[in-house]
Amino acid sequence: DVVMTQTPVSLSVAIGQPASISCKSSQSLVGTSGKTYLNWLLQRPGQSPKRLIYLVSKLDSGIPDRFSGSGSETDFTLKISRVEADDLGVYYCLQGTHFPHTFGSGTKLEIK
Amino acid sequence: QVQLKESGPGLVQPSQTLSLTCTVSGFSLTSYNVHWVRQPPGKGLEWMGVIWSGGNTDYNSALKPRLSISRDTSKSQVFLTMNSLQTEDTGIYYCNRGAYWGQGTLVTVSS
Repeated sequence: DVVMTQTPVSLSVAIGQPASISCKSSQSLVGTSGKTYLNWLLQRPGQSPKRLIYLVSKLDSGIPDRFSGSGSETDFTLKISRVEADDLGVYYCLQGTHFPHTFGSGTKLEIK
Repeated sequence: QVQLKESGPGLVQPSQTLSLTCTVSGFSLTSYNVHWVRQPPGKGLEWMGVIWSGGNTDYNSALKPRLSISRDTSKSQVFLTMNSLQTEDTGIYYCNRGAYWGQGTLVTVSS
């Protein structure tokens, strides 16, 4: 199975400051189609996960452009340019290129 | 609009079989894939399997011996069946279509 290694495990960020989360996969996530199926999700406390980004860098509808995704092959990053209070929760990366699909272990974002 | 909603028994005894239903609206199961994901209490997310728009399925190899996903397209429902449940199977079970997630249903395995 593809192992998704997320870092940091947690981070505390002041409102208005940037945040960055890394996700590294144990093998390339480039699929046979040439697409890279790497998603980022946010799970707020007590809620279902919410997809923020798909195909490495495409923002889902309604997601503010404070969020951005980048990376390739095995190395991916989620960046929040200016953290807001509503951003707190656990962020997960998810690879959908290989079976079984696998999630990172999560990064808990707290507001400082 | 697109909606998914899980339903199930809530409490299952050890060694018994779990049956969950995901009822969808706003789209056709013959056009979109539906995944099942679960989350033990206080832990991370685990992908369980998918039923493709064409009706084929893929499963997490760790669960494959115990897991089955099927559907009734006329009722817009996807079914998850998992046997030989153990306490480690306790958690919230979600169905998902891309950016859309159900609210989840809590399954507790206990005697």
